[in-house]
Amino acid sequence: LAKTTQPISMDSYEGQEVNITCSHNNIATNDYITWYQQFPSQGPRFIIQGYKTKVTNEVASLFIPADRKSSTLSLPRVSLSDTAVYYCLVSQGGTSYGKLTFGQGTILTVHP
Amino acid sequence: GAVVSQHPSWVICKSGTSVKIECRSLDFQATTMFWYRQFPKQSLMLMATSNEGSKATYEQGVEKDKFLINHASLTLSTLTVTSAHPEDSSFYICSARDSGANVLTFGAGSRLTVL
Repeated sequence: LAKTTQPISMDSYEGQEVNITCSHNNIATNDYITWYQQFPSQGPRFIIQGYKTKVTNEVASLFIPADRKSSTLSLPRVSLSDTAVYYCLVSQGGTSYGKLTFGQGTILTVHP
Repeated sequence: GAVVSQHPSWVICKSGTSVKIECRSLDFQATTMFWYRQFPKQSLMLMATSNEGSKATYEQGVEKDKFLINHASLTLSTLTVTSAHPEDSSFYICSARDSGANVLTFGAGSRLTVL
């Protein structure tokens, strides 16, 4: 499984855009990049997933360069409720998807 | 969307007793479920892969006789912490994958406190 590296913590203010970058230099051809959000004492929640280029949904965007060795989660106009831990994971897609290795994650703190 | 339910959400037990945690996929069938453990201020650690109708696969360092996993149906997996001790106190989280998606859905977690 490809190892990921992301900042331990980030601080932001309400209304700002937050970009969290994750490095995954050993990503394999079949690997997908998935971001999860976790609040204290809750299970992780899926945010967004991508394979290459850019993916956007109602809560975030995911930017993946051509070499796929990194990815950036972009949260537009964060609010206090976005304070959480964000995990970047890389895992093989298809029927093999499942065993996820969680890294340390990024603790995002949004200030008023 | 896919929903995974865990029960109980929290449990307190005495040392030496056994505790069972249930994980259900509510609107989809899951041939495989995963059990994670998370200690305070740490990341999730995969404990085992639960396979419907067959034995679970445990990660290195996880005692299979300590953490009994049963996956008797396509919607239910259970984790039993046997002879629990204070060091087993942790946050246990299960997850499952809807067969048509490359996404894991996680349960809300179960907080175990062993006195």
